[in-house]
Amino acid sequence: KQEVTQIPAALSVPEGENLVLNCSFTDSAIYNLQWFRQDPGKGLTSLLLIQSSQREQTSGRLNASLDKSSGRSTLYIAASQPGDSATYLCAQTHSGTSYGKLTFGQGTILTVHP
Amino acid sequence: DAGVIQSPRHEVTEMGQEVTLRCKPISGHNSLFWYRQTMMRGLELLIYFNNNVPIDDSGMPEDRFSAKMPNASFSTLKIQPSEPRDSAVYFCASSLRGANTGELFFGEGSRLTVL
Repeated sequence: KQEVTQIPAALSVPEGENLVLNCSFTDSAIYNLQWFRQDPGKGLTSLLLIQSSQREQTSGRLNASLDKSSGRSTLYIAASQPGDSATYLCAQTHSGTSYGKLTFGQGTILTVHP
Repeated sequence: DAGVIQSPRHEVTEMGQEVTLRCKPISGHNSLFWYRQTMMRGLELLIYFNNNVPIDDSGMPEDRFSAKMPNASFSTLKIQPSEPRDSAVYFCASSLRGANTGELFFGEGSRLTVL
């Protein structure tokens, strides 16, 4: 059974801090890994997608890395802002399906306070 | 583009009633997914359509759940009869080429409460 675990479950930091969110997965047959953001009462917004052949992806203050050998991905947020407060989810796409079935972690609830 | 559109945003119903959730994917996207989100189980894939055809419905909980996609711009998820344990947020998502190579775009969800 494929499992995706996110640590920590919740994180509270002061504005301006750099922070790291962790995601681990058990299925080595990974096709890609995606990081999503979910605001309260809203749907998920895709932040970064890392293909299995890639090591990292960057978008603005966000950087996501992928280490297939250790089954880990990290999302690095630089110079955090209160607007970054949200739940962050990672999802693994399995290469065993033709379309890429996603398995989601439970998410990390991030609070950035002024 | 308006994004993935879901309706209703909120639904409160009584046990035993029929519930129909609706989804309009992003125009041109050929892959559509229905997910369910609960505190206990997180996000779970219910069913996946490609080019309007159900490809994987292994996540559908039981026969009370059914999903259809009569055309490329509309899908429904029906629960009949509904039960309190069906209370959750149901998300629809679409993708241009499936989640393997393309980003997944989510709607804002339909929050279902079954009393």
